Amino acid sequence: EVQLVESGGGLIQPGGSLRLTCAVSGFTVSSDYMTWVRQAPGKGLEWVSVIYTGGTTNYADSVKGRFIISRDISKNTLYLQMNTPRAEDTAVYYCARSAVAMGNAIDIWGQGTMVTVSS
Amino acid sequence: SYELTQAPSVSVSPGQTASIACSGDKLGDKFVCWYHQKSGQSPVLVIYQDAKRPSGIPERFSGSKSGNTATLTISGTQAMDEADYYCQAWDSSTVVFGGGTKLSVL
Repeated sequence: EVQLVESGGGLIQPGGSLRLTCAVSGFTVSSDYMTWVRQAPGKGLEWVSVIYTGGTTNYADSVKGRFIISRDISKNTLYLQMNTPRAEDTAVYYCARSAVAMGNAIDIWGQGTMVTVSS
Repeated sequence: SYELTQAPSVSVSPGQTASIACSGDKLGDKFVCWYHQKSGQSPVLVIYQDAKRPSGIPERFSGSKSGNTATLTISGTQAMDEADYYCQAWDSSTVVFGGGTKLSVL
């Protein structure tokens, strides 16, 4: 079964660090683009980052220089390292697959993990 | 930065047709996807590459595009279709979402 399961969310203090994990099953983490999308409470969807099949990465301006997306092919796992978070980073973070075969549509989403940035 | 514009809300009566629009600069040159998100749930892809429907998505969902405006149409809208709907496109190697449209089935 194709599935994405996020973990690692929680309460984090401004200026701290947190690593989100997304366990991938049913396909290989490097076979498609993998993305992180977040949703602040009561707000819309906001794209955060992508890692392409070749390993190149890209980030939204709002997190560039603070967040790092990575993957471990041997563990079939995607990560998002959140450094120096801000209150405005508080959101549900979704791991998602952007399927190359579907024109990079985001066809699989995880259940999300909540991150709260507060002192 | 690139922006996609959606109306904040649309209302429709059960059994009627709902249309949700999404506009953006040069959107005609990009593929558009549509997602619905019910309260407390993860988004679900309902249309990709402007007008294709993933397996498992009911035929009442359809997509189209004219010029720089894409439209999601829900024919014979049902109460279960009440949700937030987001359009999405890629621009300069980044993912862009519209602000979302809340569909109310009244």
